[in-house]
Amino acid sequence: DAKTTQPPSMDCAEGRAANLPCNHSTISGNEYVYWYRQIHSQGPQYIIHGLKNNETNEMASLIITEDRKSSTLILPHATLRDTAVYYCIVRVFQYSSASKIIFGSGTRLSIRP
Amino acid sequence: GAVVSQHPSRVICKSGTSVKIECRSLDFQATTMFWYRQFPKQSLMLMATSNEGSKATYEQGVEKDKFLINHASLTLSTLTVTSAHPEDSSFYICSARLGQGSDTQYFGPGTRLTVL
Repeated sequence: DAKTTQPPSMDCAEGRAANLPCNHSTISGNEYVYWYRQIHSQGPQYIIHGLKNNETNEMASLIITEDRKSSTLILPHATLRDTAVYYCIVRVFQYSSASKIIFGSGTRLSIRP
Repeated sequence: GAVVSQHPSRVICKSGTSVKIECRSLDFQATTMFWYRQFPKQSLMLMATSNEGSKATYEQGVEKDKFLINHASLTLSTLTVTSAHPEDSSFYICSARLGQGSDTQYFGPGTRLTVL
């Protein structure tokens, strides 16, 4: 799986949009971009994933650049409960068997009141 | 939907004893589950891939005789830490794949193991 690069930490004011960047310059054509987050002492939580089109769900939006070498996770209105470590992962989508998730070091997002 | 549970959430044991951790997919069947370990202030490290009805696949450096994995049904995988030592103290997390057509994995809440 392709390696990703994320800033080790970021902070954001409550109520503002949090934009978390991720570089994946060696991504292959069949690799998806996944985002997970881990709140302290809990298991990771799935947020969103995409291939090349921008994606949005009830939690966040995922913006993938046209060359697919980077992406941004957007939390539109950050709250204190969004304080967590956010992991950007690229991996091949497997239809009939499960592919491994290899976690990097992620971005520690702190939301300030 | 897509809920994964783990039991127990916390366990404290004496050195030399064995501890079993259960991972269950509550509302879906999971042919494949994964086990991770996380030390304080570190990222998750994949230990092994658990396949229903077959032997688990261990990552390099993970002792298969120490970390026994059993995936006897489509909703249950167990990890047994045998002859636990203080260095095995960690946060153990499992994940389960939703199923064919979806490669998204959902994670359990984790089990905090402390070996005295």
